[in-house]
Formats: sequence, structure tokens, C-alpha cells
Amino acid sequence: EAQVTQNPRYLITVTGKKLTVTCSQNMNHEYMSWYRQDPGLGLRQIYYSMNVEVTDKGDVPEGYKVSRKEKRNFPLILESPSPNQTSLYFCASSLSSRGRSSYNSPLHFGNGTRLTVT
Amino acid sequence: RKEVEQDPGPFNVPEGATVAFNCTYSNSASQSFFWYRQDCRKEPKLLMSVYSSGNEDGRFTAQLNRASQYISLLIRDSKLSDSATYLCVVSNYGGSQGNLIFGKGTKLSVKP
Repeated sequence: EAQVTQNPRYLITVTGKKLTVTCSQNMNHEYMSWYRQDPGLGLRQIYYSMNVEVTDKGDVPEGYKVSRKEKRNFPLILESPSPNQTSLYFCASSLSSRGRSSYNSPLHFGNGTRLTVT
Repeated sequence: RKEVEQDPGPFNVPEGATVAFNCTYSNSASQSFFWYRQDCRKEPKLLMSVYSSGNEDGRFTAQLNRASQYISLLIRDSKLSDSATYLCVVSNYGGSQGNLIFGKGTKLSVKP
């Protein structure tokens, strides 16, 4: 089954303790992205990747890192989490972000990771 | 002006009603447009892409007005299961490629 898999679904941690949220897709998609969703603010893009070893900042990259060493995986790293990073996080992928036709490629989202930092 | 704006609602409608949402976007160079549906605490899912000529999928009709820079979603014969938040998504061509802009969503509640 074609899917985007995020882990964990729920995570409670303490300030400053490094954590990684994994994201994997089995659709051979070039484009992957991380979002956070907060009440009243909607979905905001953290980082995105247009292909292996190509990553770029979204709208709210501060406090986050990503890597794209393989096409299928796009982990989100919080080196020193803080309470303001408590949020619902979504990973997403799409076929490609290059070329005119690819701009109609829809995003496939993972199930989300609810992170609480105390 | 925000990049993508939607009326947050909620739109409370009875079953069987027709309801329409609009979404305005600020970048005239935007090329791709989508409507996503998001149920409470779940991931967004693609409802439909929006094409220049307008498109229909069952009870759902999407339209694009480039001159006025808005897209619309029309839902006919509303069902209880249509209750959700509807997200407008815009993709810009050139510049920051791959950077999709989401609206904050319009909440729809269909009542019996």
C-alpha cells in the first residue's frame, strides 16, 4: 500500500532532550516536506526536500534540522526541543516539484506526530 | 495581504444544503491549486485539484478565477460526512519551488 509513515504518533519529552521524528514513503517520491499545525495558525512548512541531498527552509525552520540521505526517508530532528515546539507535525511527499506538470502533484500526508515538550 | 486567505467559518448547514467556500491568493504567478479536506486530528487528504477550466467530482465543484485571484469549492447536497475543515492550497511556479502555501482552513459542520 502506498503510504507515508511517521513515527512516533505521540511523543512527550522534556526541554533540551534531542529527538528525531522519522518519515518514510514507499512511492519513490522526489519531494518531501515537514509541516507543523497549531490552532489558529494552520499548517506551516518547516523544511522541504526536492530530492536526495537537497533540502531547503520553509516558513518556520528555527529549532529544526532535516536530512535527506535516501530518497524514501526524511527525518525531522529537534536538537534541543523547547515548549514552543509542542505541536502536531505532519510529513508529506509528492511525486516531483520540478517541471510544469509536476505542480499538479498532490501531497500525500503521514498520520501525524503529536509532540509535547514540557 | 496574507498569501492564502480563507474564511475560517464555521459554516453550519443542514443536510442537503449547498455550501460554497472561497479562497483568495496574493501571488498572481501561482500555478497550481488544490482543495484538501482535514478531519479533526487527522492528516489532510486531497479532495480535488483545481483546473483553469473548472472541474467537478460528484457533488463537488472547484473553480479558479485568475483575474480576481480566488478559487472556490461548491458542495451540493451536503452530507453529515462532509463535516470537516477544508484547506485551500496554492503552489507557486518559480521562485521558491516546492513551497506549498496552505490556507488556515474553513470549518464545515453539516447538521441533521
